[in-house]
Amino acid sequence: NAGVTQTPKFRVLKTGQSMTLLCAQDMNHEYMYWYRQDPGMGLRLIHYSVGEGTTAKGEVPDGYNVSRLKKQNFLLGLESAAPSQTSVYFCASSSPGTVPAYEQYFGPGTRLTVT
Amino acid sequence: DQQVKQNSPSLSVQEGRISILNCDYTNSMFDYFLWYKKYPAEGPTFLISISSIKDKNEDGRFTVFLNKSAKHLSLHIVPSQPGDSAVYFCAASGYSGGGADGLTFGKGTHLIIQP
Repeated sequence: NAGVTQTPKFRVLKTGQSMTLLCAQDMNHEYMYWYRQDPGMGLRLIHYSVGEGTTAKGEVPDGYNVSRLKKQNFLLGLESAAPSQTSVYFCASSSPGTVPAYEQYFGPGTRLTVT
Repeated sequence: DQQVKQNSPSLSVQEGRISILNCDYTNSMFDYFLWYKKYPAEGPTFLISISSIKDKNEDGRFTVFLNKSAKHLSLHIVPSQPGDSAVYFCAASGYSGGGADGLTFGKGTHLIIQP
């Protein structure tokens, strides 16, 4: 049981390049989330999904797109990377009826640098 | 406007003493509160939570207190151990009901346990 895994762990992009971050979970969770963490800022929600084929915007969605084609996978895309997107990206998953309620399981993070 | 606030960026406590981490929130719609612990280069891990219908929840060395009228919660760690050195995030849920729409995090408090 690997829990939540993220690919890649590190990446350096040039401004304007595109990339996709992959999140996978093997806990059969319904809900999946993408957060970013910047120094001194805590974690902020980018996009989330409450089920296969559905996505919704979080607090800071601009410049990102997401897709949830399979229940176990949640992809985060950057179409044209900008230096402001330099951050650590965390994926998380959870399920309704989880005990304790609302607990989310996090992946190890992807450190992205945009130059 | 920050809805979950952790006003102490860092806290230093002697090993064996009590660590008290504080968190304030502004949104009265929050109905569930969680504490996460994060080590460097790892994802956050769940520590303890409390529902808004309770004022205390205890799990081993960790106790969370909730004061709804003051919109304040605190995490007590007794006794503090070296392995407790980490960043602690306060998070809240229930803003839009159901918890599916993600957690709102504070900026975190870096707890340092001195030998």
